[in-house]
Amino acid sequence: QKEVEQNSGPLSVPEGAIASLNCTYSDRGSQSFFWYRQYSGKSPELIMSIYSNGDKEDGRFTAQLNKASQYVSLLIRDSQPSDSATYLCAVTSVIKAAGNKLTFGGGTRVLVKP
Amino acid sequence: GAVVSQHPSRVICKSGTSVKIECRSLDFQATTMFWYRQFPKQSLMLMATSNEGSKATYEQGVEKDKFLINHASLTLSTLTVTSAHPEDSSFYICSARVPTSYEQYFGPGTRLTVT
Repeated sequence: QKEVEQNSGPLSVPEGAIASLNCTYSDRGSQSFFWYRQYSGKSPELIMSIYSNGDKEDGRFTAQLNKASQYVSLLIRDSQPSDSATYLCAVTSVIKAAGNKLTFGGGTRVLVKP
Repeated sequence: GAVVSQHPSRVICKSGTSVKIECRSLDFQATTMFWYRQFPKQSLMLMATSNEGSKATYEQGVEKDKFLINHASLTLSTLTVTSAHPEDSSFYICSARVPTSYEQYFGPGTRLTVT
């Protein structure tokens, strides 16, 4: 079982609709959760970080965390063609030996169609 | 967000030569930086964790004598690919962790082609 799992997609979304991305993780000791956006041929860009249960909103993005279910999601409202990218879920353990390194999911490819 | 730069953005070298890639945190001090490699259509692969003033910690399967990492200051880490071969051709990306949080910010990446 992978440590961080995402549906690879592609997730096809009409322009203006809501894109919903899901991520599950296996390490119950995980404390920090991140969503990165990666355009083809580019490096990842941090778009959301979330540390406690519940929702966190930033512009058109909402991250949702449920530690009991080991589940984190990202909603993209009013999706635009420029949102077409691969979205990476990343998790950090607080175990010192892990060195705060990020464990990434495989990414979900999102296609927003005009 | 915090800014991380990488240099060069692209490099082409001949097989057997060495290449150095620099990673800088521009607006914060990073005690910890990370080096990743990504092949086309594949996930990021963590190569090593670089800590300022100490030896890097390499992931299993990564040759530390081939991929030399130096983190000599709080804003600079370097990755040297020694005796490069065509199979080392890849997209190399660094990230830096903001000290007050667990957030990591990525540099723009270096595309290495070994001929």
